[in-house]
Amino acid sequence: QVQLQQWGAGLLKPSETLSLTCAVHGGSFSTYYWIWIRQTPGTGLEWIGEINHYGSTNYNPSLKSRVTISVDTSKDQVSLNVTSVTAADTALYYCARVPGNYIDYWGPGTLVTVSS
Amino acid sequence: QSALTQPRSVSGSPGQSVTMSCTGTSSNVGGYNFVSWYQQHPGKVPKLIIYDVSKRPSGVPDRFSGSKSGSTASLTISGVQAEDEADYYCCSYAGTYTWVFGVGTKLTVL
Repeated sequence: QVQLQQWGAGLLKPSETLSLTCAVHGGSFSTYYWIWIRQTPGTGLEWIGEINHYGSTNYNPSLKSRVTISVDTSKDQVSLNVTSVTAADTALYYCARVPGNYIDYWGPGTLVTVSS
Repeated sequence: QSALTQPRSVSGSPGQSVTMSCTGTSSNVGGYNFVSWYQQHPGKVPKLIIYDVSKRPSGVPDRFSGSKSGSTASLTISGVQAEDEADYYCCSYAGTYTWVFGVGTKLTVL
């Protein structure tokens, strides 16, 4: 059974850096792409970016300048950093597994609020 | 990278068929057969119900089906049930290793 565990700071001030980590339990970590998605009530789901176990990344062009996704294969973990956050980055952030061209497992989500 | 267009809401009575659309462009929905659909109940994590336009994962009821014509994908629920009331999101490959989601459709079962 695959489980994704997420953690990170939930309250940030504008201009700070968002940092989240996702630990993968079960399954073969190296077989898949791992992605980050965020969800807001107004805009729905937004794909942030993805990474594989080699560290090869792809990012949403609209966020690319502020986003870094990294991997720690020794711990089966992926991490998300978003710099210079604003209120517009307030969202529920998910990590998820991509076996092909779809998402089959999602983390529980981490609510991140940006407020001064 | 603009979000895919979905109707904000659709509704249907139990037993009726309901279809919701997901409209993109030739750069995403129209260009690839990599459209997936996700069902999300309030407070829950999204669940995959359709992938590769029309394939259904194991365990998903066969009343859920997907199709595509041009740059518009569709999700049909044949014989909608009360437990199908949820938000539904489409997602498409958008080229150069990027993905785009739809804005979501709220299904109300009357």
